[in-house]
Amino acid sequence: SQTIHQWPATLVQPVGSPLSLECTVEGTSNPNLYWYRQAAGRGLQLLFYSVGIGQISSEVPQNLSASRPQDRQFILSSKKLLLSDSGFYLCAWSRETLRRGANYGYTFGSGTRLTVV
Amino acid sequence: AQSVSQHNHHVILSEAASLELGCNYSYGGTVNLFWYVQYPGQHLQLLLKYFSGDPLVKGIKGFEAEFIKSKFSFNLRKPSVQWSDTAEYFCAVRQNTGGFKTIFGAGTRLFVKA
Repeated sequence: SQTIHQWPATLVQPVGSPLSLECTVEGTSNPNLYWYRQAAGRGLQLLFYSVGIGQISSEVPQNLSASRPQDRQFILSSKKLLLSDSGFYLCAWSRETLRRGANYGYTFGSGTRLTVV
Repeated sequence: AQSVSQHNHHVILSEAASLELGCNYSYGGTVNLFWYVQYPGQHLQLLLKYFSGDPLVKGIKGFEAEFIKSKFSFNLRKPSVQWSDTAEYFCAVRQNTGGFKTIFGAGTRLFVKA
């Protein structure tokens, strides 16, 4: 069965420090991978998605970047964190396909609560 | 810009009460619709989904949702809630244009009193 791992679960970082959050998927190949940020009262905001190794699409311009060095690994990074980067970050994968009848939803990781101080 | 609106941010119900959570979206094309649930301290889980066919879809734990295309709505319902339904519920809409973008609503926190 497929599983998704995300770590760390919680992180407290000072302003200006770097960030690296890692997400890995097991049990499937060539997944579509996503980074979301969940802000209170604002739902889930798509930050980045990737349909393959080295292919990253950014949805929201900001202080963050993403990379996909391996098929089942997705990394969220920042060179210098801002206070506004605090939030709950969720990695997700899906087995999307463009063919008619595809009906896959997303599977989410357990999330990382990031507090920038 | 496309958006997803969930009408209630917080809902408090007593056990056995009926539940309806509203969800409206703004997109004129073909969409796939989802409801996700996040129980306290747990992952987001898919509750139910609509892709095509019968607009009344049934999900896990007795939940159902009805897609009304003319109203751009996908409301979530459950006839009788239980204390264990306390969670946050997210409506999500994916534009079925060949892209992968899914927009989530702000979420509704449901608290069921025992």
